[in-house]
Amino acid sequence: SQELEQSPQSLIVQEGKNLTINCTSSKTLYGLYWYKQKYGEGLIFLMMLQKGGEEKSHEKITAKLDEKKQQSSLHITASQPSHAGIYLCGADDSNYQLIWGAGTKLIIKP
Amino acid sequence: KAGVTQTPRYLIKTRGQQVTLSCSPISGHRSVSWYQQTPGQGLQFLFEYFSETQRNKGNFPGRFSGRQFSNSRSEMNVSTLELGDSALYLCASSLRTSGTDTQYFGPGTRLTVL
Repeated sequence: SQELEQSPQSLIVQEGKNLTINCTSSKTLYGLYWYKQKYGEGLIFLMMLQKGGEEKSHEKITAKLDEKKQQSSLHITASQPSHAGIYLCGADDSNYQLIWGAGTKLIIKP
Repeated sequence: KAGVTQTPRYLIKTRGQQVTLSCSPISGHRSVSWYQQTPGQGLQFLFEYFSETQRNKGNFPGRFSGRQFSNSRSEMNVSTLELGDSALYLCASSLRTSGTDTQYFGPGTRLTVL
């Protein structure tokens, strides 16, 4: 079965610094989703990637899917307190269900 | 468009009781998926409903059941509650016109079982 591994598990970053979160799959990714979650709340959709080499940006967040479609990275530039939360990657499995990474907890130090 | 709504937001029950959670999808979305989220297990898929039919099911016991109505609203029921059922229950809706389709999540229902 397909598994998604996220790294790091947690991250503490000084405000204004850049950071990267990775999501690695044991199988080829056919649809990779990034979500953000504030503690105890629902997931907010950030971006979806499908094609190898695809890159999308929204404000200061950029997500990429590698050419082999087995790894995705989420990069935040000039981090702000509003970026704090849990970042989750999800991927379509062969039954078109979403499987999920364990999440990366991001803390922004002022 | 209004987002996905879930009711109630918080619920406290005791072991052995049953509970029903409700989810109203985004207008026009026919697929509703339910997830359980706990600190130890992360986000786990419960089931998906599409046009009133259960299309996919995760690996949960039969105490967890759901249904979908003709207006796409969905309910999830958990019978004979156990302490381990304490979790954040999330529902997500999507168009599901193709295999890959973005899911939009509600705020969740926090269930505490005492």
